[in-house]
Amino acid sequence: QKEVEQDPGPLSVPEGAIVSLNCTYSNSAFQYFMWYRQYSRKGPELLMYTYSSGNKEDGRFTAQVDKSSKYISLFIRDSQPSDSATYLCAMTDADNYGQNFVFGPGTRLSVLP
Amino acid sequence: KAGVTQTPRYLIKTRGQQVTLSCSPISGHRSVSWYQQTPGQGLQFLFEYFSETQRNKGNFPGRFSGRQFSNSRSEMNVSTLELGDSALYLCASARTGSVYGQYFGPGTRLTVT
Repeated sequence: QKEVEQDPGPLSVPEGAIVSLNCTYSNSAFQYFMWYRQYSRKGPELLMYTYSSGNKEDGRFTAQVDKSSKYISLFIRDSQPSDSATYLCAMTDADNYGQNFVFGPGTRLSVLP
Repeated sequence: KAGVTQTPRYLIKTRGQQVTLSCSPISGHRSVSWYQQTPGQGLQFLFEYFSETQRNKGNFPGRFSGRQFSNSRSEMNVSTLELGDSALYLCASARTGSVYGQYFGPGTRLTVT
């Protein structure tokens, strides 16, 4: 079993839809959770980050962490064609990168106009 | 403000050779981290340097090494290249040592033949 599993996708939705992206993990030491967006031929960019359990909202994006279930989610409201990219979850046990900084395999999202 | 720059952008090497990749961080950033991205293994953390010291290291063999100079620029070296080392190598920089504040460069595409 991989340390971080992510919905494989690819995911294709119409413009304006609500998108749910999910990751599960096995290491209970993870405390710091991140979501990155990666456009084709570009490096990843940090979208959202959360510490421990709870929700965090930033514009159209909401990140949720449920440590009891070892499950994290990213919701995108009113999705736009410009949201078409690969989304990567990431997590670690310390905010200074820690001893085990891992990424999910990514979910490719296409938002159709 | 200039972003993270990586040189070269593309590189072709032969199995058994060694290679050095360069990363120039955003001005004022003291942390540089390196990653390998492949279709099979996804994005994997190699190591992170902060003020010329390696603080954290991922699970890669000793053939992968790095260093950081006093101006925060960093180099990554891979010795005795294997076909499986073909990948996109990304570096990221951050002002502090926090994993939340990193910005990625565009990457160096290494092909080993």
